[in-house]
Amino acid sequence: AQKVTQAQTEISVVEKEDVTLDCVYETRDTTYYLFWYKQPPSGELVFLIRRNSFDEQNEISGRYSWNFQKSTSSFNFTITASQVVDSAVYFCALRSNNAGNMLTFGGGTRLMVKP
Amino acid sequence: EAGVAQSPRYKIIEKRQSVAFWCNPISGHATLYWYQQILGQGPKLLIQFQNNGVVDDSQLPKDRFSAERLKGVDSTLKIQPAKLEDSAVYLCASSLDSSYNEQFFGPGTRLTVL
Repeated sequence: AQKVTQAQTEISVVEKEDVTLDCVYETRDTTYYLFWYKQPPSGELVFLIRRNSFDEQNEISGRYSWNFQKSTSSFNFTITASQVVDSAVYFCALRSNNAGNMLTFGGGTRLMVKP
Repeated sequence: EAGVAQSPRYKIIEKRQSVAFWCNPISGHATLYWYQQILGQGPKLLIQFQNNGVVDDSQLPKDRFSAERLKGVDSTLKIQPAKLEDSAVYLCASSLDSSYNEQFFGPGTRLTVL
């Protein structure tokens, strides 16, 4: 069985603050993929990043960065200098080939960035 | 490139009524997914199609839910009869194939069962 836990249900920050969204996963598979999606108020899930289980290099894309640590089964997401447009629900997800390629989502973290 | 299209965007029905949702995936995408997202939760996979065949429907409540993907393109998800707990957003997604390519999601259909 696989599981994704996002312990933070809601985070509120003031614009320009840095914020980190936590994601902890469970799987018995050695080959798997981790994802982050953004869900703005419009409701559409927007793909942000995919990492495979063999690549633990941290990644930076503009104001976004991701920290993957297999030792703690975590895949955390940091937004630097947050902006009001970052306000959304963010989902972490896990996919492994032994689970039929099914995408398992965490419960999501609602981020509110105030001006 | 056009994204995943879904209709209707909103639907309100009474319990025990029937309802159907439609999805048109991105052109050329072989794999199509239907997810149920209950308020405050992450999406849960209901069914996955590869072309017009079902790959995984283990979490589909088959006594009331059905889905088809005739001709391997558009798909329809039906609920008959609906229950109050079916109130949710139904998301359709597609991907090039069933490997590890990212899934592209449609805007969803928000269903309210009264």
